[in-house]
Amino acid sequence: SQQGEEDPQALSIQEGENATMNCSYKTSINNLQWYRQNSGRGLVHLILIRSNEREKHSGRLRVTLDTSKKSSSLLITASQAADTASYFCATRMDSSYKLIFGSGTRLLVRP
Amino acid sequence: EAGVAQSPRYKIIEKRQSVAFWCNPISGHATLYWYQQILGQGPKLLIQFQNNGVVDDSQLPKDRFSAERLKGVDSTLKIQPAKLEDSAVYLCASSLVKGHLINEQFFGPGTRLTVL
Repeated sequence: SQQGEEDPQALSIQEGENATMNCSYKTSINNLQWYRQNSGRGLVHLILIRSNEREKHSGRLRVTLDTSKKSSSLLITASQAADTASYFCATRMDSSYKLIFGSGTRLLVRP
Repeated sequence: EAGVAQSPRYKIIEKRQSVAFWCNPISGHATLYWYQQILGQGPKLLIQFQNNGVVDDSQLPKDRFSAERLKGVDSTLKIQPAKLEDSAVYLCASSLVKGHLINEQFFGPGTRLTVL
């Protein structure tokens, strides 16, 4: 079974709006990563947040991590049509080097 | 810097046939991964190599799937014989390893396999 589960499964917003997607996981982690996947560029790493960090920013992306609730959120501000893609969270546990991906949130940004 | 290369990009076969996928990771990346991504799901790790040794193959269906990474660079993933449920995108990824830290993984474009 997959460790991370994203919510919502699908999200449709207007260009310029913010998009928030959430990820919940089951066991303690070393770090959590967010990836984006679209048909044009495949699966691309967006941002990594370590278990001792609470918030991280990268351009229009803001990631938060709450280890007590075993959850993370990805906020995309001022969305653009090019942000249309599937977004996956992936977790790495201390006891393993492998990443476990969630099932993804499909984001549609309408022009 | 060149990315992860995979071939072929698409493959259509009939069930019970064999198929092989090839991956060339980013130069200098010691760790190589093969993932299976079924439509509508996230990638699932099949096997992880560190140089030419297997680190994790716990989710590889070993009765029909095999993978090798001779010389610690290129890798091939084989399915023999294929089943209908093997229809998926097969992704190869690579990453640097620094001590106990795992950096981001860089993914190839994938091979879309359709089993009829």
